Amino acid sequence: GQQVMQIPQYQHVQEGEDFTTYCNSSTTLSNIQWYKQRPGGHPVFLIQLVKSGEVKKQKRLTFQFGEAKKNSSLHITATQTTDVGTYFCAGASNDYKLSFGAGTTVTVRA
Amino acid sequence: GAVVSQHPSWVICKSGTSVKIECRSLDFQATTMFWYRQFPKQSLMLMATSNEGSKATYEQGVEKDKFLINHASLTLSTLTVTSAHPEDSSFYICSARSQYTQYFGPGTRLTVL
Repeated sequence: GQQVMQIPQYQHVQEGEDFTTYCNSSTTLSNIQWYKQRPGGHPVFLIQLVKSGEVKKQKRLTFQFGEAKKNSSLHITATQTTDVGTYFCAGASNDYKLSFGAGTTVTVRA
Repeated sequence: GAVVSQHPSWVICKSGTSVKIECRSLDFQATTMFWYRQFPKQSLMLMATSNEGSKATYEQGVEKDKFLINHASLTLSTLTVTSAHPEDSSFYICSARSQYTQYFGPGTRLTVL
């Protein structure tokens, strides 16, 4: 079945620095979605990428979808303490099922 | 955005009892809902796909007789954990599909003693 790998598993960032989390799927995806989960909370939808090579920005967050629709990245610039949490990518197949990556847990030191 | 509720938000039960968790889409109709399980510090694992008016589709390794799913209406799906055991303790999260997006419920934390 479809597998989505996500790295790194943990990211400890100095406040103000940038970081990137990467996802790679074993199969071509119909779309990829990104979620953020705060400690003790549930996943909150951030964005969906559908087109090959698509790039979307949300303030300090930049999301990319690879040309082959098998990989994606989330880049956060000028990290703030509010960015703490676990970021999951989730690859969608044609039957709308989501395969979640392992997540990147972000901690920020002031 | 769309709102999905889950009830209860947490439950503690004795080993051997059954627990029912409800998932409701509050402001949209969802022909498809999904049930996930998340163990501490792990990712979400899809358990089953719940389709309104038909049988649920279970992922490999998930016992359909243990995790009973009923999708009785376009806004309600239920997951019943039958004869729960301590190893079933987990965070159970549902999601409801609206077009291409899944909206997640707040989750139910189940603790089986």
